[in-house]
Amino acid sequence: EPEVTQTPSHQVTQMGQEVILRCVPISNHLYFYWYRQILGQKVEFLVSFYNNEISEKSEIFDDQFSVERPDGSNFTLKIRSTKLEDSAMYFCASSATDGTNEKLFFGSGTQLSVL
Amino acid sequence: RKEVEQDPGPFNVPEGATVAFNCTYSNSASQSFFWYRQDCRKEPKLLMSVYSSGNEDGRFTAQLNRASQYISLLIRDSKLSDSATYLCVVPSGNTPLVFGKGTRLSVIA
Repeated sequence: EPEVTQTPSHQVTQMGQEVILRCVPISNHLYFYWYRQILGQKVEFLVSFYNNEISEKSEIFDDQFSVERPDGSNFTLKIRSTKLEDSAMYFCASSATDGTNEKLFFGSGTQLSVL
Repeated sequence: RKEVEQDPGPFNVPEGATVAFNCTYSNSASQSFFWYRQDCRKEPKLLMSVYSSGNEDGRFTAQLNRASQYISLLIRDSKLSDSATYLCVVPSGNTPLVFGKGTRLSVIA
């Protein structure tokens, strides 16, 4: 089965530093997403991306966050100035069509630890 | 009502048991529903989709009650490998998927 790949698997950073989390969605998918999961809590929606622009974003996705599809394969999440509370597992996902009615394929996640 | 609410769990059941999880949702306009499985520290993986009254796949049965805004997941003949957290997932407005907190299942030998 095709896979969504995420790098790195673990990222440790100091508070205030910028981090970029990388994702390679499934090649023929058009919709891309970032979710996060703080340890012990539920999976939370951050942002969805289609046709080179953000289609939806949650309240969590504030000005410290940005997404980009710099080329035909990568989809990145940037956190400009990390805070302790940004520590979480970040999952990238993709789908062939609008994800409201279709399976999302998730990557294995990047565990971000902010010290 | 919270967008997606699930049984708190954890459920500890012996091998071979039948176990059922419940989920209620707030968005009456939702047309599709999903059960995902999440192993510890891993990504969610789709277990079942529910688009009409229900769906069955081997030992797993999902049922939907639109009037009560309620979804259930039934697992028959539980296996040790079924131990995981089961996530009820519902689209809500324009948000692609809203996840419940999940119900943890432990199947004991």
